[in-house]
Amino acid sequence: RKEVEQDPGPFNVPEGATVAFNCTYSNSASQSFFWYRQDCRKEPKLLMSVYSSGNEDGRFTAQLNRASQYISLLIRDSKLSDSATYLCVVKTGANNLFFGTGTRLTVIP
Amino acid sequence: DARVTQTPRHKVTEMGQEVTMRCQPILGHNTVFWYRQTMMQGLELLAYFRNRAPLDDSGMPKDRFSAEMPDATLATLKIQPSEPRDSAVYFCASGTNYQQYFGPGTRLTVL
Repeated sequence: RKEVEQDPGPFNVPEGATVAFNCTYSNSASQSFFWYRQDCRKEPKLLMSVYSSGNEDGRFTAQLNRASQYISLLIRDSKLSDSATYLCVVKTGANNLFFGTGTRLTVIP
Repeated sequence: DARVTQTPRHKVTEMGQEVTMRCQPILGHNTVFWYRQTMMQGLELLAYFRNRAPLDDSGMPKDRFSAEMPDATLATLKIQPSEPRDSAVYFCASGTNYQQYFGPGTRLTVL
């Protein structure tokens, strides 16, 4: 079983829509959680960390459910510039980052 | 604006040839990672170093891959001999305990 599993999508949504991605992880000892964003033919970049209490950054909300071992990312009022692949990342141990294969989002005008 | 740099950005080679990829981590970062990304497997960790010492290279095919950090400003990933299945984008990242910063990647094609 993979450490991190994501729905690969693609998700095609109209501008202004709300879209949510989920991700599950297998190791209950995982300590830290992140969402990275990767644009086409570019490197991944940190979008936001995910805290136990949930956290919000503008139109983006991340949540963690430790009991069910899943992480979610909610994007409200989608913009064309949100089109990218969103990678769920789980940190287990000192420096073991495990990346999901990513969920591709396309926001349509 | 400090960045991780990687060279070359693109490499096309023939099966059996040696390939060397280079990475300059961000100054002051004590952890360096090598990843490989393919459509099928996504991002896979190949190796990582802390303070230039290799901590984990279990993700790397040992018979043909090697990773080194000859000094704090240079990390190398070498494939010898290369095979078509090695075609992928290879990312280097450097980081702290809280965040990794990725380089732009080396897009490798082995014919």
